[in-house]
Amino acid sequence: SSELTQDPAVSVALGQTVRITCQGDSLRRFYASWYQQKPGQAPVLVIYGQNNRPSGIPDRFSASNSGNTASLTITGAQSGDEADYYCESRDYSANFYVFGSGTKVTVL
Amino acid sequence: QVQLVESGGGVVQHGRSLRLSCAASGFTFSKYGVHWVRQGPGRGLEWVALVSSDGNSEYYADSVKGRFTITRDNFKSTVDLQMNSLRAEDTALYYCARELYGYAGSLDYWGQGTLVTVSS
Repeated sequence: SSELTQDPAVSVALGQTVRITCQGDSLRRFYASWYQQKPGQAPVLVIYGQNNRPSGIPDRFSASNSGNTASLTITGAQSGDEADYYCESRDYSANFYVFGSGTKVTVL
Repeated sequence: QVQLVESGGGVVQHGRSLRLSCAASGFTFSKYGVHWVRQGPGRGLEWVALVSSDGNSEYYADSVKGRFTITRDNFKSTVDLQMNSLRAEDTALYYCARELYGYAGSLDYWGQGTLVTVSS
């Protein structure tokens, strides 16, 4: 299957922890990358590989993987973390790539 | 600093063609794969195509296969996306993005996008 499934929306209280999940068969074979996108802006890579953050991404962003599920955790959510988050991975056949449907994170 | 700048977007009639370009600077272009990703109005991200660092391999989403062609010029540091037989559902903001070296599919730098509108 080439689909990656994400919950449409999740909310978190300021300073609390939120986990965003991404499910798909390809995640049994490949790690997901995670992107943050704020309105009117290009996406920003926040996690790649098993659990790696690009330079400049705060360490409150972390990832985990189990079976067909990849998770992005924001520990101590800030108002600036309010955004859409997308997972992305190679298709199981490795011939193309697919994005998840996206999760809108609201910080209360 | 790494920069990717897309151009070539515009309004085009259904069934016609358009060519997008992505100009890169600030890094050794020939070492990196480059992707095109699009985002329809109010919609999520959709992966479109990838060209390998040497230009010898191309990959496409099923939704564009046979209609779109991705090419690159490592001397000019550019990647083009030739889009033929355009449809209303191709209307989107098109981003080019650099693939993180050693991590297939992880896109570490993105342009600001170029808007394509397909009219009937």
